[in-house]
Amino acid sequence: EVQLLESGGGLVQPGGSLRLSCAASGFTFSTFGLSWVRQAPGKGLEWVATISGSSGSTHYADSVKGRFTIFRDNSKDTLYVQMNSLRVDDTAVYFCARPRIQLLGYFDLWGRGTLVTVSS
Amino acid sequence: EIVLTQSPGTLSLSPGERATLSCRASQSVSNRYLAWYQQKPGQAPRLLIFDTSSRATGIPDRFSGSGSGTDFTLTISRVEPEDFAVYYCQHYGTLETFGQGTKVEIK
Repeated sequence: EVQLLESGGGLVQPGGSLRLSCAASGFTFSTFGLSWVRQAPGKGLEWVATISGSSGSTHYADSVKGRFTIFRDNSKDTLYVQMNSLRVDDTAVYFCARPRIQLLGYFDLWGRGTLVTVSS
Repeated sequence: EIVLTQSPGTLSLSPGERATLSCRASQSVSNRYLAWYQQKPGQAPRLLIFDTSSRATGIPDRFSGSGSGTDFTLTISRVEPEDFAVYYCQHYGTLETFGQGTKVEIK
């Protein structure tokens, strides 16, 4: 079955760090770009970051640039995002998603999400 | 950066009625790079339409997309009970941006 499964969410204090993981299965992981998209409680969707299959190209939303780092391990079929200097407004469900047609494409596959809460 | 504005914020309909959802872009969308997603509470978004009017795999033909330039529409020809959800449009191709969503609720 083709799927993405996120993990690593939890409660963290403002200024803290957290690393999320996204395990993929059912497709050739290294040939696809992957993204993180987040959704604050009761709010809409916000694209966070995207990485190419080879890790040669990355893109970030301005709201996370310099604080978040997207990376992947193709030997483990796993996507990551390292989140530093977390702020209260980073609180959200974080989804990993697979872009199609091009690196900054529409998303045809989504994980179930993992909740990150930034609070003191 | 293209800003997408969806209207209405909430659409109240009875099953069997036609739903028309609008997505307006702040500047012209190139290559018809506009997608639509459905999201139900506690679930991930599901791709419905890509490239303005192409249905994703497994999406019923009561869902259709249209538009060009700055004005795009998602139409549900006859709303089924399982269609009550929030719908988002998305522009892609440069930076990824989403509209704020339209909630389709039972009247």
